[in-house]
Amino acid sequence: SQQGEEDPQALSIQEGENATMNCSYKTSINNLQWYRQNSGRGLVHLILIRSNEREKHSGRLRVTLDTSKKSSSLLITASRAADTASYFCTIQGAQKLVFGQGTRLTINP
Amino acid sequence: SQTIHQWPATLVQPVGSPLSLECTVEGTSNPNLYWYRQAAGRGLQLLFYSVGIGQISSEVPQNLSASRPQDRQFILSSKKLLLSDSGFYLCAWNKDRGHEKLFFGSGTQLSVL
Repeated sequence: SQQGEEDPQALSIQEGENATMNCSYKTSINNLQWYRQNSGRGLVHLILIRSNEREKHSGRLRVTLDTSKKSSSLLITASRAADTASYFCTIQGAQKLVFGQGTRLTINP
Repeated sequence: SQTIHQWPATLVQPVGSPLSLECTVEGTSNPNLYWYRQAAGRGLQLLFYSVGIGQISSEVPQNLSASRPQDRQFILSSKKLLLSDSGFYLCAWNKDRGHEKLFFGSGTQLSVL
C-alpha cells in the first residue's frame, strides 16, 4: 500500500503541552508530507520532508523521518487552541497522493 | 498567485437526482487535478485524478464520473445519486509531478436524502 497510516487516531491534550503524532508507511518514498484539516474545511499543507532529510522545522512544527523504520513523526510544541484539527500524512504514488485516516487533535483550554 | 475555486459549498440532493460539482484553478497552467471524498470523521478517498485535458484516471469504481473539459476545470458528475454518495468532496491540484504538495479547495458538503 502507498498509504501512510497515522497514529494515534485521536489525541487530546492541554493547551501549552506538546503534541506528537506518528505516521508509518510500507513502500519506499521520495518524500512524505503532513497536512492539517480544520473541521469542514480543505486540507492545508504543513511540511514536506524528502527521503534524504531526517528532520525539518517550521515554526512550532518539527517533523522527523526515519526511512529505515518507514516512519515519521510530527511534533507540535506549545500547543494552542487553534491547533485543534485533524492531521494527515501522505506519501506519493506515481501521479497521486494517498491519505490515511488522520489523527484528530483536540487542544483543551 | 494561484487559487482554486470549488462550488457549491453545500448541496442537498434527493436520491436519484444528477450531480455536477465544479472546480477551477487560476494562476497556473496544466495542473494535475484531483477529486477526493471524505466520509464524516474519516480520511480522504481519492476518486479521480487528471494530468491533462481529457485524461482521467479513476481510482474507485463507483457511481461517479469526472471530466476535464478545459485545462484548469475539473468536474465531478453523477447521473443518479445514491445515499452512499453523501460526503465531503474536495478538489485539489499540484504541479509537475504527483508527489509535490497539494493545494485544496474549500470543499463541498453533499447530503443525499
